[in-house]
Amino acid sequence: DAKTTQPTSMDCAEGRAANLPCNHSTISGNEYVYWYRQIHSQGPQYIIHGLKNNETNEMASLIITEDRKSSTLILPHATLRDTAVYYCIVRGDNYGQNFVFGPGTRLSVLP
Amino acid sequence: DVKVTQSSRYLVKRTGEKVFLECVQDMDHENMFWYRQDPGLGLRLIYFSYDVKMKEKGDIPEGYSVSREKKERFSLILESASTNQTSMYLCASSFGAIPLHFGNGTRLTVT
Repeated sequence: DAKTTQPTSMDCAEGRAANLPCNHSTISGNEYVYWYRQIHSQGPQYIIHGLKNNETNEMASLIITEDRKSSTLILPHATLRDTAVYYCIVRGDNYGQNFVFGPGTRLSVLP
Repeated sequence: DVKVTQSSRYLVKRTGEKVFLECVQDMDHENMFWYRQDPGLGLRLIYFSYDVKMKEKGDIPEGYSVSREKKERFSLILESASTNQTSMYLCASSFGAIPLHFGNGTRLTVT
């Protein structure tokens, strides 16, 4: 079973920030939070991951609450090409541990 | 950039046929994975492998087998294809805690 809960769908206006929430209330101390997205007809694409500190890269920012029970992926200036399904996943760093993908959030960026 | 290549983008097979799906990665990753993706169900792990000749069952291994004779190649085998195996199949690879890299998928139709 997926260890995360995400809204089924969200809309965002083009050029605005998209904030995608994820609940992971049963996360363990050694588990990371990963975000991926999948654009239609392509394989999932890695976006960002973090353990407890906030993280930022060229694609997005990841904000993790202090108790680590939830996080938010932020796309600072959403474009039409960011329309995709976004997956939030928790995973430990144990060798060979698999990922569990839930249904994700379908983000629609509207012109 | 890591490249994960799946041999076929689309396949059509008949019920009862033996089907091979091939996946190759070029980054010397230890771990390789096979998922299937169905509408409303997200990605479900079929099998994964953390070393050559090693394999572990995922969440839905029934009706499938795998082969990992070389580090860079991970094959998914449907011994006797059935219509309920019509799906998108995604291969992925990773090394330790480094995020997964996915291929673009094989859309299999079993008639």
